[in-house]
Amino acid sequence: DVKVTQSSRYLVKRTGEKVFLECVQDMDHENMFWYRQDPGLGLRLIYFSYDVKMKEKGDIPEGYSVSREKKERFSLILESASTNQTSMYLCASSLENIGTAGVDEQYFGPGTRLTVT
Amino acid sequence: GENVEQHPSTLSVQEGDSAVIKCTYSDSASNYFPWYKQELGKGPQLIIDIRSNVGEKKDQRIAVTLNKTAKHFSLHITETQPEDSAVYFCAAHRMSGTSYGKLTFGQGTILTVHP
Repeated sequence: DVKVTQSSRYLVKRTGEKVFLECVQDMDHENMFWYRQDPGLGLRLIYFSYDVKMKEKGDIPEGYSVSREKKERFSLILESASTNQTSMYLCASSLENIGTAGVDEQYFGPGTRLTVT
Repeated sequence: GENVEQHPSTLSVQEGDSAVIKCTYSDSASNYFPWYKQELGKGPQLIIDIRSNVGEKKDQRIAVTLNKTAKHFSLHITETQPEDSAVYFCAAHRMSGTSYGKLTFGQGTILTVHP
């Protein structure tokens, strides 16, 4: 079974702190994604990575950065946390999207509920 | 970019009834439409998907229909059970050289099945 793990289930940080959210997958997937989930807004893509050291912005990258130094690990960084970043953060991974063969299922971690006070 | 609208935001049914969740998408080039189920305290999990060369797909009590002309797709759950209670998300994907499997998700539907 594919397993995606996230470093914390709950996290409380203060405004202005630097925050690291870690995600690890054990299935050798090429693609990894960070989403935030807010009521009524669904899942919104923050950043994704399609290979080690490669990253691209998603729909809401402002205030976030990412790092992918190893294939299995994808980190989300809040450089200076703000209260409007209080949210549920979900990490996902999937196999490489190969041409017209189709897109592969995304496997999600359990999420990290971040509260910024 | 792609925009996906999902309705209703909440749905309450009695056990044994059917439930229908509808989504519309904006990008006519989208060609893959998955549905994810998120149970309390867990991440979303794929339950069914449909590709644009197919109009309907069934898997036991779950079915998905796609109308490419109208750009909408729907999830149908028959004979609902309390364990179907969860948040359901639709999503759309456009195949392109650099899409990398990116999905655009709808806003989610909270389904409650009352015993």
